[in-house]
Amino acid sequence: AQKVTQAQTEISVVEKEDVTLDCVYETRDTTYYLFWYKQPPSGELVFLIRRNSFDEQNEISGRYSWNFQKSTSSFNFTITASQVVDSAVYFCALSEAFSGGYNKLIFGAGTRLAVHP
Amino acid sequence: DGGITQSPKYLFRKEGQNVTLSCEQNLNHDAMYWYRQDPGQGLRLIYYSQIVNDFQKGDIAEGYSVSREKKESFPLTVTSAQKNPTAFYLCASSIGDGPGLPNEQFFGPGTRLTVL
Repeated sequence: AQKVTQAQTEISVVEKEDVTLDCVYETRDTTYYLFWYKQPPSGELVFLIRRNSFDEQNEISGRYSWNFQKSTSSFNFTITASQVVDSAVYFCALSEAFSGGYNKLIFGAGTRLAVHP
Repeated sequence: DGGITQSPKYLFRKEGQNVTLSCEQNLNHDAMYWYRQDPGQGLRLIYYSQIVNDFQKGDIAEGYSVSREKKESFPLTVTSAQKNPTAFYLCASSIGDGPGLPNEQFFGPGTRLTVL
């Protein structure tokens, strides 16, 4: 069965430190997609990235970078030079095809990141 | 501004009462979703709708009902049959999905439901 594991429940860092959030997934599909979302204290989830299973290139967007490794079924997220505004819960998710040919998201339990000044 | 609105932000319910959570989007998205979030857990799918007048059960549909009479609106009713309804409820929408093409979902601000 499809599953997403975020083993880090909470991480606490001091501003300007680099931090990596781990995501390990399980799927039998050969084609799948992985997502990262950010949930700030306001509660609304914010989309960060989508990556398909055929593209293992690392991606960088400003201070954010993602490392996708199919060999270890991992899709880790690194924040460089963290800032207080990065404090949030971060969710990793896996797309799964379900009845009707449409996709749904399987979410991990989330990692709460606290960045202290 | 385009987006998703949910109301109310906070909702209190007595045991045995049905309550309806509102979700409206002006993004012209075809697909809409309802998720439940419990502390320390990820989001779990309650119901999903791809088009008007059509919806499908998610992983935890028992005790919930939905309707999709308009493209913009996807209200969720939490019925008295839901044994543990206290949770944070999130509504989302996406352009629409086809096989192998999951589009990103855009989320509303959520409704926090508390059963007294």
